[in-house]
Amino acid sequence: NAGVTQTPKFQVLKTGQSMTLQCAQDMNHEYMSWYRQDPGMGLRLIHYSVGAGITDQGEVPNGYNVSRSTTEDFPLRLLSAAPSQTSVYFCASSYVGGGETQYFGPGTRLLVL
Amino acid sequence: RKEVEQDPGPFNVPEGATVAFNCTYSNSASQSFFWYRQDCRKEPKLLMSVYSSGNEDGRFTAQLNRASQYISLLIRDSKLSDSATYLCVVNMDTGNQFYFGTGTSLTVIP
Repeated sequence: NAGVTQTPKFQVLKTGQSMTLQCAQDMNHEYMSWYRQDPGMGLRLIHYSVGAGITDQGEVPNGYNVSRSTTEDFPLRLLSAAPSQTSVYFCASSYVGGGETQYFGPGTRLLVL
Repeated sequence: RKEVEQDPGPFNVPEGATVAFNCTYSNSASQSFFWYRQDCRKEPKLLMSVYSSGNEDGRFTAQLNRASQYISLLIRDSKLSDSATYLCVVNMDTGNQFYFGTGTSLTVIP
C-alpha cells in the first residue's frame, strides 16, 4: 500500500493565484482531513470529511475549499492565495472514530509571494 | 485559549536519561488522547494512544489524568533516535476534530 500520498511536494504561488493540493489514500479510510502547520502554532484542522460527499469545516477553513467525490481522494483548493497561507499542509486519513490512528501524507510546502 | 497546550521545550537530555512531557487540554468532554512523533520536516506518526488506566510500550509510558485534564509521556533510557518533536493530540467529544499541541522538542545528546 502507498498509504497517504500528496502532490506536489513544494509549490510557489503568487498572491491571487489558485491551486489544488492533491491527497489520495489506498487504505479505504472513510475519514480524511487537511491540516496546516505553522511555527509556534502546531497543526490546525482546515477541513475534514467522514465519507464521500460529506465535508465539514475545521478550525481554520477560511480561504480553502474541499470536495470528496470518492473515498480515495480529498483535494484542497486555494481559490486566491494569500501570503498568510504560506505553510506546510498535511493530509491525513483514518477509519471513522475519535480513537482511530491518523495516517499522514508527507506534506506539501507552500510559499505564497 | 488553546485547546491543547504543551511546553515547547527544547529538552536536551543525555543518552540514558529519563524525560517527561506534559500536556493540558481545555475540554473536559474530550474522549481520546494520543502522542504523535514528528521528525524534522517529516509527517507526524502515531507513537501511542493514551488510555484511562495508563499504558506502556517498551520505554514509553503514557498517563491520563482526567480530573486535572492533562496527559503525560515518560521516556526512559533515552536513545539518540528519540530526538524528535512530540505532539500531544486530543479528540473532542464530536469525534471528528483532532486538536494538536504545538509540540515538545527533544534532543538526546551522546
